[in-house]
Amino acid sequence: EAQVTQNPRYLITVTGKKLTVTCSQNMNHEYMSWYRQDPGLGLRQIYYSMNVEVTDKGDVPEGYKVSRKEKRNFPLILESPSPNQTSLYFCASSPRPGEVWSPLHFGNGTRLTVT
Amino acid sequence: LAKTTQPISMDSYEGQEVNITCSHNNIATNDYITWYQQFPSQGPRFIIQGYKTKVTNEVASLFIPADRKSSTLSLPRVSLSDTAVYYCLVGDKGNTGFQKLVFGTGTRLLVSP
Repeated sequence: EAQVTQNPRYLITVTGKKLTVTCSQNMNHEYMSWYRQDPGLGLRQIYYSMNVEVTDKGDVPEGYKVSRKEKRNFPLILESPSPNQTSLYFCASSPRPGEVWSPLHFGNGTRLTVT
Repeated sequence: LAKTTQPISMDSYEGQEVNITCSHNNIATNDYITWYQQFPSQGPRFIIQGYKTKVTNEVASLFIPADRKSSTLSLPRVSLSDTAVYYCLVGDKGNTGFQKLVFGTGTRLLVSP
């Protein structure tokens, strides 16, 4: 089944403890992206990647890191999480970068709580 | 920087047609307009995409005027299961010259019996 898989679905952690949220897609998509969703703010893009080793900042990149060493994986890294990073996170992928966008395929989300 | 503006919420009743308008005044020449639907605790789901004029699929229609500064998602004869948040999305160029995607704040549609 074609899908975007995020893990974990739920995560509770403490301030400053490094964590990684994994994202994997099995559709051979070139484009991958991370979003966070907060009440009243909709979906905001954190980072995106057009292909392996090509990443760029979205609208809210502060406090996050990403890497794209393989086409299928795009982990989101929080080196020192803070309570303001408590949010619902979504990973998404799309088959073609460039000017004509193919639809994004979203994962089921990771609900992160930082205490 | 392309940004979108949508109504925060809309109410409707079963069987009615619902039109949600999105404003994107700074849309670039090569940007497409895409709409997504999101249910609580789920990732957004693609509904429809278009560049200009009108696009229709089995779920919705998308109307885009000639100046492309706005678009309207039309949901015919909504049902209770159409209660969701609807996002309008346009492409935007990032620092590397590649396009990045910008979501609007979404429109929360509530369909009542």
